Amino acid sequence: QKEVEQNSGPLSVPEGAIASLNCTYSDRGSQSFFWYRQYSGKSPELIMSIYSNGDKEDGRFTAQLNKASQYVSLLIRDSQPSDSATYLCAVNGEYGNKLVFGAGTILRVKS
Amino acid sequence: DGGITQSPKYLFRKEGQNVTLSCEQNLNHDAMYWYRQDPGQGLRLIYYSQIVNDFQKGDIAEGYSVSREKKESFPLNVTSAKKNPTAFYLCASTRGGGGWNEKLFFGSGTQLSVL
Repeated sequence: QKEVEQNSGPLSVPEGAIASLNCTYSDRGSQSFFWYRQYSGKSPELIMSIYSNGDKEDGRFTAQLNKASQYVSLLIRDSQPSDSATYLCAVNGEYGNKLVFGAGTILRVKS
Repeated sequence: DGGITQSPKYLFRKEGQNVTLSCEQNLNHDAMYWYRQDPGQGLRLIYYSQIVNDFQKGDIAEGYSVSREKKESFPLNVTSAKKNPTAFYLCASTRGGGGWNEKLFFGSGTQLSVL
């Protein structure tokens, strides 16, 4: 089992819809969770971080964390073509001594 | 503007050749990292350094080497022993002190290809 798993996609949504990206992780002791956005050929940029169970909202983005289910998700409301990118989920280890990235989900927003 | 500068953007390596990827930051960050990204895979940690003159191996350090003689600089050497080095290499930094809970700042990356 991979430490951090994401559906590779591509996930296609129409412009204006809600995009839902999911990530599961294996280390039950993980404490920190991150979502990075990466455009093709570019470097990742942090869009959300979440550390406790529940929802965290920032503009059109909402991160959701459920530690009991070892599940973290990212919702993008009112999706725009400019949101088309690969979204990487990253989780830190139980002892905070490593950060593990998932393979990423490709999102395509169609106008 | 503060940031991380990686050079070159594209690099080609011949068989039996060592190459060096440059990474310079002016963010005054203590910690620096090298990641490798292959198509369809997540970022994998090669080496990291939390302070000058100290560095640790990551998950895939074999065939690579680093140095951290200055706070601003963390070059990555890809040795001739490294098989299949073709990948996108990302340098990153964090302020340090927060462990792996901190936001990573990334450079623009270097695409290394084998001729």
